[in-house]
Amino acid sequence: ETGVTQSPTHLIKTRGQQVTLRCSSQSGHNTVSWYQQALGQGPQFIFQYYREEENGRGNFPPRFSGLQFPNYSSELNVNALELDDSALYLCASSPDLSGDTQYFGPGTRLTVL
Amino acid sequence: GENVEQHPSTLSVQEGDSAVIKCTYSDSASNYFPWYKQELGKRPQLIIDIRSNVGEKKDQRIAVTLNKTAKHFSLHITETQPEDSAVYFCAARMEYGNKLVFGAGTILRVKS
Repeated sequence: ETGVTQSPTHLIKTRGQQVTLRCSSQSGHNTVSWYQQALGQGPQFIFQYYREEENGRGNFPPRFSGLQFPNYSSELNVNALELDDSALYLCASSPDLSGDTQYFGPGTRLTVL
Repeated sequence: GENVEQHPSTLSVQEGDSAVIKCTYSDSASNYFPWYKQELGKRPQLIIDIRSNVGEKKDQRIAVTLNKTAKHFSLHITETQPEDSAVYFCAARMEYGNKLVFGAGTILRVKS
């Protein structure tokens, strides 16, 4: 096991609602990246956090936001949910700012109805 | 632009044969290239990676080669086994934000 954990495992929301997903990084890792993986596709980068600061963002709208805490755990918040937000949300932790050797958590399956 | 193309999208091999998956990337500043294996319903698992100062890296039955001039890299699996069946993703780390850009994935089926 990689040590990266995520909660919840599954989540069902309706359009327009807000959701918070959580990630605990592997021990010793100070960098967390979040990805969205739609069915049958590769993970798409949302953003990365290093020592509580956002360090890069992909092509996602501002209603996708995040936080990283002093213990390096992290949250992904999505406001005004849309049907297309239905996907597997993965976080990955890595030991330094380079983002190399990223280890993924099991993911949160979000369904928006 | 930031793009990683991966081929083939599906690959069927007989047990014991070799499998090769190829990727090309667009950002010439990319210098880190990991490969992930994802079984159905599970997390992507890092299986091997290579940095741009190295042309080839091997780990038991798995090897990765990198051609920086041509901007492509490949995964080689030898002596395939049924448990190698999974979706394989290549990725390249972009200079901006250290983000990984993933290929679309290759479904590998190893027939016994």
